[in-house]
Amino acid sequence: GAVVSQHPSRVICKSGTSVKIECRSLDFQATTMFWYRQFPKQSLMLMATSNEGSKATYEQGVEKDKFLINHASLTLSTLTVTSAHPEDSSFYICSARDRLARDYSSNEQFFGPGTRLTVL
Amino acid sequence: AQSVAQPEDQVNVAEGNPLTVKCTYSVSGNPYLFWYVQYPNRGLQFLLKYITGDNLVKGSYGFEAEFNKSQTSFHLKKPSALVSDSALYFCAVTMNTGFQKLVFGTGTRLLVSP
Repeated sequence: GAVVSQHPSRVICKSGTSVKIECRSLDFQATTMFWYRQFPKQSLMLMATSNEGSKATYEQGVEKDKFLINHASLTLSTLTVTSAHPEDSSFYICSARDRLARDYSSNEQFFGPGTRLTVL
Repeated sequence: AQSVAQPEDQVNVAEGNPLTVKCTYSVSGNPYLFWYVQYPNRGLQFLLKYITGDNLVKGSYGFEAEFNKSQTSFHLKKPSALVSDSALYFCAVTMNTGFQKLVFGTGTRLLVSP
C-alpha cells in the first residue's frame, strides 16, 4: 500500500517551454501532497505544499508563478514548470500524506519515484 | 525550528561488517524521526520511523535505528552490510504537535565494498 507515482519519469524540453509533472497516490487519498526539488548530491528542498481544493503554500524563495501547482482531486497533484530555463533542470520529487492513515499525526509522507527534468 | 544533521558525507564499510550512519536532530518538542534510502535517479524509499514506544526501531532490509533522547540522536544501523545497501541515506525529523513539515538532513552516501 501507500504507493505514489510520478509521470513522466524523465523529460527533456527546450528553453521557454512549459512542462507538467503529475503526482498520483495510487491506493490512498491524499489531501496534502508535497513537491521537492533535489540538486545533484544534495538533499531535498521543499518547494511547496499542495492542498486539495485550495491554493498551494510555497516555501520562501520559490516563485509561485514559475512553479504552478494544482491539486484538483484527492489522488492527483500537478506541478507545471512554466517557461522553463536550463537552471530549472533538476530532479523533482513529490510525496503525499495518507489522510486515512492510522498514525496520520506522525506526518509520515510517501514518496514518488521522481522526475528528471532537463531543459536545453 | 527543527533541524537534522548528518555529519558524514560518506561512510565506507566492507561487506559483512556492521554499519552505522549517524543522525542528530534538534527540535523544540518531541520528535518524529524517519530514515529513507535513495538509489540513483529514484525517489525515496521508507526504511523506518520512530514515533513513540521502544527506542530501538526495526525497519526494512534488516536496518534498525535507536532513538536516544539525551543525545538527540537517531543513528541507523545494520549488523551485516551488503553491497546492495550502497545508496544515499536521509534522516528526517518532524514534530508531534499538529502538522509539521519534514526536515531532511543533507544525506550520507553509504558505500559497501565487496
